[in-house]
Amino acid sequence: DTGVSQDPRHKITKRGQNVTFRCDPISEHNRLYWYRQTLGQGPEFLTYFQNEAQLEKSRLLSDRFSAERPKGSFSTLEIQRTEQGDSAMYLCASSQAYDTGELFFGEGSRLTVL
Amino acid sequence: QKEVEQNSGPLSVPEGAIASLNCTYSDRGSQSFFWYRQYSGKSPELIMSIYSNGDKEDGRFTAQLNKASQYVSLLIRDSQPSDSATYLCAGKRGTGRRALTFGSGTRLQVQP
Repeated sequence: DTGVSQDPRHKITKRGQNVTFRCDPISEHNRLYWYRQTLGQGPEFLTYFQNEAQLEKSRLLSDRFSAERPKGSFSTLEIQRTEQGDSAMYLCASSQAYDTGELFFGEGSRLTVL
Repeated sequence: QKEVEQNSGPLSVPEGAIASLNCTYSDRGSQSFFWYRQYSGKSPELIMSIYSNGDKEDGRFTAQLNKASQYVSLLIRDSQPSDSATYLCAGKRGTGRRALTFGSGTRLQVQP
C-alpha cells in the first residue's frame, strides 16, 4: 500500500484555463475528501465522497469546481475557468468506512494560476 | 467567526519544556476533536483524537477537551526540536457534516 496518491504534484496554468487533479485513495478506504489549503491557513473542506456518492459539498465551492468518483475508487477535481484566487494546494484524503476521523492525506497538488 | 479558532503563533519553547497549544470552537454540534501535525511542505498527519470531556494521554502528548467551554488543548511534554511543526485542531460533528473542520493552525518552534 503506497498511501494516497495525487497527480500532478504541481500545475501552473494561465487564468481562464481548466485544470484537473486526480486522487487515488488507499485501496480499502471508501471515503474520500478534497480540501484546499493556502499559506498560513488550515485545510478548507471542499467536498466528500462515500464510495461513488458525493455526500457533501462546501457552500464555498463555486460552480466552477466539480468533483467525481465514478467507480468509487479514484477521484478527479476539475476547476474550470481558473482564477488567480484558485492558487492553492489541493489536498486529497481518504479514510476507512468506520468513521474515526482519521484522514490520510496525499502529498497534494499545488496549483499556480498566472 | 471561524468554526475552529487557533492562535497562529509562532509558539516558541525551549527543548525539554512543555508546549501548550489551544483551540476553541463555535459549533456546539461538534462531538469529536483531532490534532493533526503538519511539517513544513508536508501534508497533515493525525497525532491525537479526543471524544469526551477530560484528558487523553498518548506518550508525550495529552489532549484535553472541555465541551462546556468549547475548548480543546494539546500538551506536548519534553518538547523536542523534531516537534517543530504546525499543529492543526479539527472538529467533527456528530450528525450532519461528516468532514473535519480545521483551524488555521499554530506554528510551534522548539529551540535546541
